[in-house]
Amino acid sequence: SQQGEEDPQALSIQEGENATMNCSYKTSINNLQWYRQNSGRGLVHLILIRSNEREKHSGRLRVTLDTSKKSSSLLITASRAADTASYFCATVPISGGSYIPTFGRGTSLIVHP
Amino acid sequence: ETGVTQSPTHLIKTRGQQVTLRCSSQSGHNTVSWYQQALGQGPQFIFQYYREEENGRGNFPPRFSGLQFPNYSSELNVNALELDDSALYLCASSTRTSGLSYNEQFFGPGTRLTVL
Repeated sequence: SQQGEEDPQALSIQEGENATMNCSYKTSINNLQWYRQNSGRGLVHLILIRSNEREKHSGRLRVTLDTSKKSSSLLITASRAADTASYFCATVPISGGSYIPTFGRGTSLIVHP
Repeated sequence: ETGVTQSPTHLIKTRGQQVTLRCSSQSGHNTVSWYQQALGQGPQFIFQYYREEENGRGNFPPRFSGLQFPNYSSELNVNALELDDSALYLCASSTRTSGLSYNEQFFGPGTRLTVL
């Protein structure tokens, strides 16, 4: 079963616009991570946000975390055609021993030039 | 490039056969995880190895097995292949530290397995 669920499933925007993707999860987490995947390739880690953090930035990326609502959002500002990819959130639960991220099904982002 | 390599890139097998996929972790990483990603889905966790011992397993049958070697490279073995095993298999390496610290995972490019 999927712990994190991204919304929307697909997003199509014009270059220069902002893209917002959301992730909801069910159980308490140690941290939440966002990844990007170009078609059929490996995942690239974007940002890790811990449960005691509310917001993190990295370049044009902004991630927020609301543990009371069990949700996170990824904002890509001033999007570029090269941002076209699938974006996944992965949650790492609070548990002793193993730290196993559980991925959602992803949001497919298309940025039109 | 993450420094994590996987081989082979593509593989075609027939139902009932066995397959071994290989992963070379990024230098200094002591943890490797394997994921199966079906088309249009997110990666599904298979298992994780930490210092050569299995450290967690997802909902996969025993015919999925693995090894981690002293140099932190790893293998994923799948016996009695089924059509549904067709997927992209990803390995990811990371560094485990004590306590609740958890570091990001670095993914390899994946092995595309097709079972006919």
